[in-house]
Amino acid sequence: EVQLVESGGGLVQPGGSLRLSCAASGFTFSSYEMNWVRQAPGKGLEWVSYISSSGSTIYYADSVKGRFTISRDNAKNSLYLQMNSLRAEDTAVYYCAREVIRIAAASSYFDYWGQGTLVTVSS
Amino acid sequence: SSELTQDPAVSVALGQTVRITCQGDSLRSYYASWYQQKPGQAPVLVIYGKNNRPSGIPDRFSGSSSGNTASLTITGAQAEDEADYYCNSRDSSGNHLNWVFGGGTKLTVL
Repeated sequence: EVQLVESGGGLVQPGGSLRLSCAASGFTFSSYEMNWVRQAPGKGLEWVSYISSSGSTIYYADSVKGRFTISRDNAKNSLYLQMNSLRAEDTAVYYCAREVIRIAAASSYFDYWGQGTLVTVSS
Repeated sequence: SSELTQDPAVSVALGQTVRITCQGDSLRSYYASWYQQKPGQAPVLVIYGKNNRPSGIPDRFSGSSSGNTASLTITGAQAEDEADYYCNSRDSSGNHLNWVFGGGTKLTVL
């Protein structure tokens, strides 16, 4: 059974840092692209960051570029999100999501999601 | 980067058919995927690709696409289908790859 379990959320002051983790199990983690997606309270979903299966290709949403760093450890089946210079608008539930890409079929989708971890940025 | 536009709210009578739409330029290059989210829960994939359902998703859910518009259709809506629905696609229009979500459609089953 595929499982994604996020951890590391909590209350942090503006300007502070937090590191989120996502523990993966039930599949060959090193074969899949992974993403972080967040959802502010009462709002919609927002893509945050992408990392390729090997970790060699990384993308960020403009809203977090320069402040957040995505990484992965395939030996530990784990995905990370280092969040620095946090702002009130970063308050959200952060989900890790496995991505499946079918380039020839012009299709990519997030087939498994974790339960999310809440990050609250407030003084 | 481009955006995906959804109607904020849609309602449907129990057992009837409802279509939820999603518009955006990225849909000319990539198929949309659709996610169902119930309160306090993580999103669940319901439709991906041209019209594919993950295992466990009822066949009353279907998808279609034309030009810059993708649609999610629920044929014979059930009470348990009441949820928020989000479309999503890759977007390669900017200077780097991006993923975009629609703003979400709140589906009410009457």
